[in-house]
Amino acid sequence: DGGITQSPKYLFRKEGQNVTLSCEQNLNHDAMYWYRQDPGQGLRLIYYSQIVNDFQKGDIAEGYSVSREKKESFPLTVTSAQKNPTAFYLCASSLYEGFEQFFGPGTRLTVL
Amino acid sequence: QQQVKQSPQSLIVQKGGISIINCAYENTAFDYFPWYQQFPGKGPALLIAIRPDVSEKKEGRFTISFNKSAKQFSLHIMDSQPGDSATYFCAASSGNTGKLIFGQGTTLQVKP
Repeated sequence: DGGITQSPKYLFRKEGQNVTLSCEQNLNHDAMYWYRQDPGQGLRLIYYSQIVNDFQKGDIAEGYSVSREKKESFPLTVTSAQKNPTAFYLCASSLYEGFEQFFGPGTRLTVL
Repeated sequence: QQQVKQSPQSLIVQKGGISIINCAYENTAFDYFPWYQQFPGKGPALLIAIRPDVSEKKEGRFTISFNKSAKQFSLHIMDSQPGDSATYFCAASSGNTGKLIFGQGTTLQVKP
């Protein structure tokens, strides 16, 4: 089955710890994205990548980092510098930048 | 100018009725307007999308109406069903940036 997988589904972290969220796609899409969703709010773009080894900051990149070493993978690290990391994180991909975006099932991160 | 404003925040409709969700934007460079449907705990799924060269697009019970001069677009769900109960997001992007700007979301409840 083609699609986007995110792991883990739920993640708990202590304050001051870095944590990495996984996103993998087997759709052969060039572009990948990370969004953050808070209750009652729309999705906000954290980082996006058009091609391997290249990525750009979105609207709320502070406290986050990414890498794109492989076409199919785009992990997101939530660092201890992120002031309010508890949220639902969504990964998406599109064939090319500007094409339709397809979303993964999300990871819910809770900071204890 | 990058905002997309969505209304209403919540909507209750009787089964068989018409659900209408509205979005407004300011950036005239936006040229792609998708609607996403999201069930609790899941990632958003692309429902229907429109580009400004047409004023209406219909797919099954879902219709997008687009008013370029008013900078508004809306989603109409005909014959609403309890299974349509979900959160709906409008979004917009421009050119080949692929950066979707999301509305705040509308929680739809269809009563049997």
